[in-house]
Amino acid sequence: GDSVTQMEGPVTLSEEAFLTINCTYTATGYPSLFWYVQYPGEGLQLLLKATKADDKGSNKGFEATYRKETTSFHLEKGSVQVSDSAVYFCALNSGGSNYKLTFGKGTLLTVNP
Amino acid sequence: DAGITQSPRHKVTETGTPVTLRCHQTENHRYMYWYRQDPGHGLRLIHYSYGVKDTDKGEVSDGYSVSRSKTEDFLLTLESATSSQTSVYFCAISESHTGELFFGEGSRLTVL
Repeated sequence: GDSVTQMEGPVTLSEEAFLTINCTYTATGYPSLFWYVQYPGEGLQLLLKATKADDKGSNKGFEATYRKETTSFHLEKGSVQVSDSAVYFCALNSGGSNYKLTFGKGTLLTVNP
Repeated sequence: DAGITQSPRHKVTETGTPVTLRCHQTENHRYMYWYRQDPGHGLRLIHYSYGVKDTDKGEVSDGYSVSRSKTEDFLLTLESATSSQTSVYFCAISESHTGELFFGEGSRLTVL
């Protein structure tokens, strides 16, 4: 079945540091890939997405490229801010009619000033 | 923000009691989902609905039932709560064929 593996962390960085959170997946067919972010005390919200191989999703300075050959969708940001502190989830939708998402376990990011 | 309201937001109950969580949406989206979030497990799908009175099981459905009598409401019921069901429960909705989900703010359930 479908699965998502992401680095579990926690990850602690200083402000303006470079961020990478690794995500790899197993799926049948050609999944769509997503990164969601959860700020403390809130629900998840979509950060970015990519629907086909070699697509790059980007938002708020975050980027991720859909790599079919390595089945990866790593999240990157060149310069993190304290306000980026949150839990980040990688997810996939392998298609079908019910649009279910399969999530990774989440990575807690803490950015210190 | 997507119009999704979960109630109650916090509940403490005792083992063996029934519990119902409600998800209400104002977006008229067809698909609705219940996930639970636990440390070390991420989010796991409990049940989902693809229309009024159309529901199906997710990966962790044991001990849970759902009902959807109206487009806007999706109820999650624990018939007899157990301590292993202590968790944060998230409702989500979707309409887009790309699979993007919109989440509610969560309901924290503690079963003593």
